[in-house]
Amino acid sequence: AQSVTQLGSHVSVSEGALVLLRCNYSSSVPPYLFWYVQYPNQGLQLLLKYTSAATLVKGINGFEAEFKKSETSFHLTKPSAHMSDAAEYFCAVSRMDSSYKLIFGSGTRLLVRP
Amino acid sequence: ETGVTQTPRHLVMGMTNKKSLKCEQHLGHNAMYWYKQSAKKPLELMFVYSLEERVENNSVPSRFSPECPNSSHLFLHLHTLQPEDSALYLCASSQDNRALGNTIYFGEGSWLTVV
Repeated sequence: AQSVTQLGSHVSVSEGALVLLRCNYSSSVPPYLFWYVQYPNQGLQLLLKYTSAATLVKGINGFEAEFKKSETSFHLTKPSAHMSDAAEYFCAVSRMDSSYKLIFGSGTRLLVRP
Repeated sequence: ETGVTQTPRHLVMGMTNKKSLKCEQHLGHNAMYWYKQSAKKPLELMFVYSLEERVENNSVPSRFSPECPNSSHLFLHLHTLQPEDSALYLCASSQDNRALGNTIYFGEGSWLTVV
């Protein structure tokens, strides 16, 4: 069965610093992987999606994620944090059974210090 | 603007009330979903509809009753709720709920408080 684990429920960085949000997945077959962002009082917005076309995936707002099969990881990075990046970030894996639903991690809240 | 619109954005209801949440998608998608987001818990999938047919019900209590009159509209009827049902309810849609790598698009959510 597929699952995702997000390490760290809270990550705090200074403005301008590197953002690294960790996601590890469990899947017996090549997965589809997603990162979503949720700004305060809003729904979830797709940041990026891995579909096996390329291991480095570029998303919106300067974010990117690298699929590493050997490490079963799909960490999200951004070279320089902005105050506007403060939000909750969710990693998700697409199930491969008949329903093909998304399974979400528990989320990581990113805090950006001025 | 996400293409998925939810109303109301905030709802306070008593345990004996009946209310409904409404969702409309403008993306031409075939599948619609209800998710529940509670504090300190992962997102929980409640219901999935594909072409107006319910294809998944994740052991949701009967006090939550979904309705999908057409592929653009989805309702969640609420009746005799409990305080622990207070949460953010997210509607979502996708092109095809069975497609590999299906991208799901979310609305902004309806905050429900049960008093």
